[in-house]
Amino acid sequence: AQSVTQLGSHVSVSEGALVLLRCNYSSSVPPYLFWYVQYPNQGLQLLLKYTSAATLVKGINGFEAEFKKSETSFHLTKPSAHMSDAAEYFCAVSPNTGGFKTIFGAGTRLFVKA
Amino acid sequence: DGGITQSPKYLFRKEGQNVTLSCEQNLNHDAMYWYRQDPGQGLRLIYYSQIVNDFQKGDIAEGYSVSREKKESFPLTVTSAQKNPTAFYLCASKQGASNSPLHFGNGTRLTVT
Repeated sequence: AQSVTQLGSHVSVSEGALVLLRCNYSSSVPPYLFWYVQYPNQGLQLLLKYTSAATLVKGINGFEAEFKKSETSFHLTKPSAHMSDAAEYFCAVSPNTGGFKTIFGAGTRLFVKA
Repeated sequence: DGGITQSPKYLFRKEGQNVTLSCEQNLNHDAMYWYRQDPGQGLRLIYYSQIVNDFQKGDIAEGYSVSREKKESFPLTVTSAQKNPTAFYLCASKQGASNSPLHFGNGTRLTVT
């Protein structure tokens, strides 16, 4: 069965610092991978997705993620944090063998200090 | 603009009452989903539907029911059998292929007292 683990329920960075949010997946076959962002009392918005093309994926708002098969990881990064990046971030997996279910990690709340 | 509309945004009910959450999409997506979100637990799948008049249980379907009579609509009923119904409920849809992302509504926050 597929699963996804996000290391760290809370991450705090200073404005202008590097953002690194960690995601590891468990799957016998590399799945499709997604990062979503959620602002308070709203739904989730897609940041970026990996679908077996380039391993380095660029998303919206300056975020990017790198798929590393050997490490079963798909960590999210942004070189310089902005106050508006404060939100909750979810990593998700979907099987590439067909199927309609998407499995979400528990989420990481990002705090940005001035 | 295409999107997903969930209503109401906030809902309050007394224990023992059934309540129905609305979800409508105009994206022409075949697949629709209901997730429940609780602090620290991410999103858990309640029910999903790949096509009209068909739906499947997710991981936490007990105490919930759905219908899919129209492509655009996927209402969720929280029954009195759901032991802990207070939560944030999210509806989503997608094009159908595994590599398609989910599109989410803005959620309904249900409080049962």
